[in-house]
Amino acid sequence: DQQVKQNSPSLSVQEGRISILNCDYTNSMFDYFLWYKKYPAEGPTFLISISSIKDKNEDGRFTVFLNKSAKHLSLHIVPSQPGDSAVYFCAASAGDSWGKLQFGAGTQVVVTP
Amino acid sequence: NAGVTQTPKFQVLKTGQSMTLQCAQDMNHNSMYWYRQDPGMGLRLIYYSASEGTTDKGEVPNGYNVSRLNKREFSLRLESAAPSQTSVYFCASRLSTYGYTFGSGTRLTVV
Repeated sequence: DQQVKQNSPSLSVQEGRISILNCDYTNSMFDYFLWYKKYPAEGPTFLISISSIKDKNEDGRFTVFLNKSAKHLSLHIVPSQPGDSAVYFCAASAGDSWGKLQFGAGTQVVVTP
Repeated sequence: NAGVTQTPKFQVLKTGQSMTLQCAQDMNHNSMYWYRQDPGMGLRLIYYSASEGTTDKGEVPNGYNVSRLNKREFSLRLESAAPSQTSVYFCASRLSTYGYTFGSGTRLTVV
């Protein structure tokens, strides 16, 4: 039973526009959330994270929003660039889990010129 | 370059064969992890090692064994490969915060 769900397998966006990626979770014990970016034939790389005590975290073009009551988080990329074309994974961890992460299935983002 | 190194990058096995996937990190991280990635399933944890000398099962441990040889190295062994183990395998390490560093993966096909 997947505890972290990314219901959109793919997203196409024009260069310069906003990309919004969504993620839902079911485990109320999760207290830390991360987004990873993955290019083909490479391992995932850390993008941005947020603690459950916050509702927003921003890093340059990337912003993550957390709605704990809805068990929902989203990643906003503004403006989108061709280099942002990749698979994005949402992940979550509970505080006592030795850093074990639960991953969503991923969303393939394609940024078109 | 510093990071997590996985070998081999590609492997084809016949059903019933055994093999060991190697992973080494040079960042002095305490914890190491093995994940598998399958289409539509994201990454799932196979085994992890919270610190040198300890290992523990993750979400999908059946058919695998691991060895934390020292602080740097964490290997994953398939004793009798099955087609269901066809996947991309990622090793990762972590110091004490939540950010993982992943290796580039091993693409394994079992025929």
